[in-house]
Amino acid sequence: DAGVTQSPTHLIKTRGQHVTLRCSPISGHKSVSWYQQVLGQGPQFIFQYYEKEERGRGNFPDRFSARQFPNYSSELNVNALLLGDSALYLCASSLGGAMDTQYFGPGTRLTVL
Amino acid sequence: QQQVKQSPQSLIVQKGGISIINCAYENTAFDYFPWYQQFPGKGPALLIAIRPDVSEKKEGRFTISFNKSAKQFSLHIMDSQPGDSATYFCAANFNKFYFGSGTKLNVKP
Repeated sequence: DAGVTQSPTHLIKTRGQHVTLRCSPISGHKSVSWYQQVLGQGPQFIFQYYEKEERGRGNFPDRFSARQFPNYSSELNVNALLLGDSALYLCASSLGGAMDTQYFGPGTRLTVL
Repeated sequence: QQQVKQSPQSLIVQKGGISIINCAYENTAFDYFPWYQQFPGKGPALLIAIRPDVSEKKEGRFTISFNKSAKQFSLHIMDSQPGDSATYFCAANFNKFYFGSGTKLNVKP
């Protein structure tokens, strides 16, 4: 079975640009969560989507947005990039229950210059 | 405000030794406490998890000890191996997951 896949693997952008990151969950999983992991720190929760509806939002500015598609894949969008947005962006999928195991993808490494 | 505090930041253990990583939390609403293992270039992978109605859970060489009154939980890795060298994160869940800052474990051969 394929795990969680994310694209692209790496991305370099400049300040002020916009970026779209993509995630495909494990087959049968209906929930996708996004996390930001800054080097040397633990993942920080950005969004959770379940059945295409936003279920939770972390403490991130409105420049961050996401959506989930009918096939349960998801996109994370970040506008007006700042240097501080440089991080590993992780996507995790789960069946959807509050305590269901989250399975993480390998992440997208975003560098903002 | 960090919801889950993890220590130590880094840990060096000899092969065959016991690795111990500690986490503390404040929010008594947390109801699920997983530990994740992350290798360089990979996403975190669930190692073992516990619910607050249990004081200990063991899976192979990995054990979680949970102290509800102290609001602390810890991961014990018995017979540590060089292949266990990775970064370990504790987490706590209430509507969403809060992660600790991570412990980089280095097991010396």
